[in-house]
Amino acid sequence: GENVEQHPSTLSVQEGDSAVIKCTYSDSASNYFPWYKQELGKGPQLIIDIRSNVGEKKDQRIAVTLNKTAKHFSLHITETQPEDSAVYFCAARPGYKLSFGAGTTVTVRA
Amino acid sequence: EPEVTQTPSHQVTQMGQEVILRCVPISNHLYFYWYRQILGQKVEFLVSFYNNEISEKSEIFDDQFSVERPDGSNFTLKIRSTKLEDSAMYFCASSEEGVSAFFGQGTRLTVV
Repeated sequence: GENVEQHPSTLSVQEGDSAVIKCTYSDSASNYFPWYKQELGKGPQLIIDIRSNVGEKKDQRIAVTLNKTAKHFSLHITETQPEDSAVYFCAARPGYKLSFGAGTTVTVRA
Repeated sequence: EPEVTQTPSHQVTQMGQEVILRCVPISNHLYFYWYRQILGQKVEFLVSFYNNEISEKSEIFDDQFSVERPDGSNFTLKIRSTKLEDSAMYFCASSEEGVSAFFGQGTRLTVV
């Protein structure tokens, strides 16, 4: 089955700086790669996703890049704000199910 | 903004008892899922459901688990005889086209 590895497990950044989270996947059949943000006591919230026919996608301060050859994808958050503090999960999907990374706890220092 | 709603938010049950976790997916969505997250571990896939049948299930989803869409709006997960290791956060998700999945707030299940 699909195995998704996510790094780093924790990330502390100064407000205004950028944050980068990286994920690798194992199943070359995976064709959809979403990113979720989870705040304390809430469910995972879809923030951006990318499909395998695209190498990069951007939505305001958030961007995702995908390298299918190397089987890795990354989340980039620019100009970080305190409200970006949360746990971020990457996921990959070869069929119906999503396989999640272990999560990255992002703390934005004011 | 439409959202997936789950009830209850927290369920405490005795080992061996049956529990039913309830979900109301987003109204025009056709694909439904259950995931769970044991404290400190990854979010794990349990089951996907489309066109009134299970389309995929994981090894976790054994004979003790079942899903149902009884009335066209609710989507339920039943655990017949709960075990201590079933304690986890259970998330329902739904998708319109089977790609982007939107998650509910979760039900925290505690088996004692």
